[in-house]
Amino acid sequence: EAGVTQFPSHSVIEKGQTVTLRCDPISGHDNLYWYRRVMGKEIKFLLHFVKESKQDESGMPNNRFLAERTGGTYSTLKVQPAELEDSGVYFCASSTRLAGGVSLLISEQYFGPGTRLTVT
Amino acid sequence: TQLLEQSPQFLSIQEGENLTVYCNSSSVFSSLQWYRQEPGEGPVLLVTVVTGGEVKKLKRLTFQFGDARKDSSLHITAAQPGDTGLYLCAGGTGANNLFFGTGTRLTVIP
Repeated sequence: EAGVTQFPSHSVIEKGQTVTLRCDPISGHDNLYWYRRVMGKEIKFLLHFVKESKQDESGMPNNRFLAERTGGTYSTLKVQPAELEDSGVYFCASSTRLAGGVSLLISEQYFGPGTRLTVT
Repeated sequence: TQLLEQSPQFLSIQEGENLTVYCNSSSVFSSLQWYRQEPGEGPVLLVTVVTGGEVKKLKRLTFQFGDARKDSSLHITAAQPGDTGLYLCAGGTGANNLFFGTGTRLTVIP
């Protein structure tokens, strides 16, 4: 079974330019997540899709970031215009239907290799 | 924001030694996951613990979830060079995102 894939693996752009990152989740996984790690910090949540719908986008830094998941398959994360502080590694993760009882939901997430974004 | 502090931040040990990595928070989590990450790759899930006091063993790795579900530990017995990597704990609060710890970078010297 193929894992989560991300494209590109690296991207170097200038401040003010636009970049689009792509994530292909594990086939059949309804849940897709975007995370980011900026230099020296822990990995932080950006947003969560369930199929094509945004379930939670509370981690999105600002309106320069736009995530889409048309058709509920792959997802894109666009940064426009990019700023220096957007540099970091962007991870995508996917998970299958959540498991557990009524009061306990478990999300075992499988991560892609990440896209390293450098804004100069 | 739920903060997960890991200690130590860096750990360098000789092959064959034992070690413990700690993951502490003031917040309660419904689940706690441990990941290992190697350079150029994404985090790889090692284990999920969901019950307070739960202990899970994975070969030489032993994971424990605190009784109050606020902390966890990872113990490695007889460390090997292949155990080298960045170990991350991540707390789940429900259906959505994970809160990641600050990470422990382990180096096992042959």
